Amino acid sequence: NAGVTQTPKFQVLKTGQSMTLQCAQDMNHEYMSWYRQDPGMGLRLIHYSVGAGITDQGEVPNGYNVSRSTTEDFPLRLLSAAPSQTSVYFCASSYSKSRAADEQFFGPGTRLTVL
Amino acid sequence: DAKTTQPTSMDCAEGRAANLPCNHSTISGNEYVYWYRQIHSQGPQYIIHGLKNNETNEMASLIITEDRKSSTLILPHATLRDTAVYYCIVSSRGTNAGKSTFGDGTTLTVKP
Repeated sequence: NAGVTQTPKFQVLKTGQSMTLQCAQDMNHEYMSWYRQDPGMGLRLIHYSVGAGITDQGEVPNGYNVSRSTTEDFPLRLLSAAPSQTSVYFCASSYSKSRAADEQFFGPGTRLTVL
Repeated sequence: DAKTTQPTSMDCAEGRAANLPCNHSTISGNEYVYWYRQIHSQGPQYIIHGLKNNETNEMASLIITEDRKSSTLILPHATLRDTAVYYCIVSSRGTNAGKSTFGDGTTLTVKP
C-alpha cells in the first residue's frame, strides 16, 4: 500500500491564482480530511469527508473547496490564492469499518507559498 | 471534542524514559485519548490511543488517570529519533476521530 499520497510536494502561486491540491489513499478508508499547518503551530482542520459524496467544513474553510466523488480521492481547491494561505497542507484518512480502527494516516504534505 | 493542555516543550536524556503529560479535564465518557507525533516537517504519525485502561504497544505506553482528566505518554527508552512534536487529542471514535483538533503539542528534545 502506498498509504496517503499528496501532489505536488511544493507549489508557488501568485495572488489570485487558483489550483488544486491532490490527495489519494489506497487503504479503503471512509474518512478523509484536509489540515493546514502554519509555521510553529499545530494543525487546523479545513474540510473533511465521511464518505463519497459527503463533505463538511472544519475550523478554517474559507477560501477552499472540496469534493469527494470517489472513496480514494479528496482534492482541495484554492479558489483565489492569498498570501494568508501560505502554509503546509496535510491530507489524512482514517476509519475502515472492516478494521474498526480510526487512527488517522497522514500524507507527506504540500508546501504552498503564495506571493 | 474536549480540549487538551500540554507543556510547550520538554527535554529528555537519550536512553531515559520520556514522560509527556496531557490534561483533558473536560473529557466526556465516550471520548478516547489519542497521541500523535510529528517529526520535523513530516505528516503526523499515530502512536497510541486509549479510553480508560492503560495501553502499551511497540512504540509507547499510555497511562490514563482513574478520573480520566489527564494522561501520560511514556517513551520507555528515548532515542534521538524520538525528537518531535507530540500531540495529545481527545475525540470520540469512528468518524469523529478524523476531524480532530490538534493543539500546539509538546516539543520533545532528546539530548545525547
